[in-house]
Amino acid sequence: QKEVEQNSGPLSVPEGAIASLNCTYSDRGSQSFFWYRQYSGKSPELIMFIYSNGDKEDGRFTAQLNKASQYVSLLIRDSQPSDSATYLCAVNMNNQGGKLIFGQGTELSVKP
Amino acid sequence: DTAVSQTPKYLVTQMGNDKSIKCEQNLGHDTMYWYKQDSKKFLKIMFSYNNKELIINETVPNRFSPKSPDKAHLNLHINSLELGDSAVYFCASSQGPQGLGEKLFFGSGTQLSVL
Repeated sequence: QKEVEQNSGPLSVPEGAIASLNCTYSDRGSQSFFWYRQYSGKSPELIMFIYSNGDKEDGRFTAQLNKASQYVSLLIRDSQPSDSATYLCAVNMNNQGGKLIFGQGTELSVKP
Repeated sequence: DTAVSQTPKYLVTQMGNDKSIKCEQNLGHDTMYWYKQDSKKFLKIMFSYNNKELIINETVPNRFSPKSPDKAHLNLHINSLELGDSAVYFCASSQGPQGLGEKLFFGSGTQLSVL
């Protein structure tokens, strides 16, 4: 199993729909989870972080964490074409001294 | 005011050459990193420095040598460049070391192409 795994996509959703991006991780002891957005040709930019089980909402973005299932997701409500980007899940791996490991990213395309 | 700035943005060079990438952050952060992003977008850590001290040194060829003259600067020197070194190299910084839930701030990247 990869340390941090995401579907590479592309995930295509119509404008206004909910985009759901998923991520699983291998280390049960991990405590900190991040979502970075990367536009084509640009650098990654932090959009959400979550440390506790449950949901965390910030505007149109909701991060969901389930440590028992080793699963973290990002929901984007009312998706806009400007949300089209690659979304990178990152996890501080407790079994590697807290090193931040990135998934391979999910490419999201929001169609007008 | 760019928070994390790296130069150059593009670097095209021949195999066997030596090149350097420079990075500076004005966020007052203690920790800086070099990441490599391959053509499949996979972002992998190479090195991390905390207050000028090397704390993460991944399995990277010793042709790659980081240098941190002070906590605001982290440079990457690459000797004897190979075709497989072609990638985008990102500098990043965080308030403290990874493992404390630290958020990373990335530079704009250096696209390295080895011909």
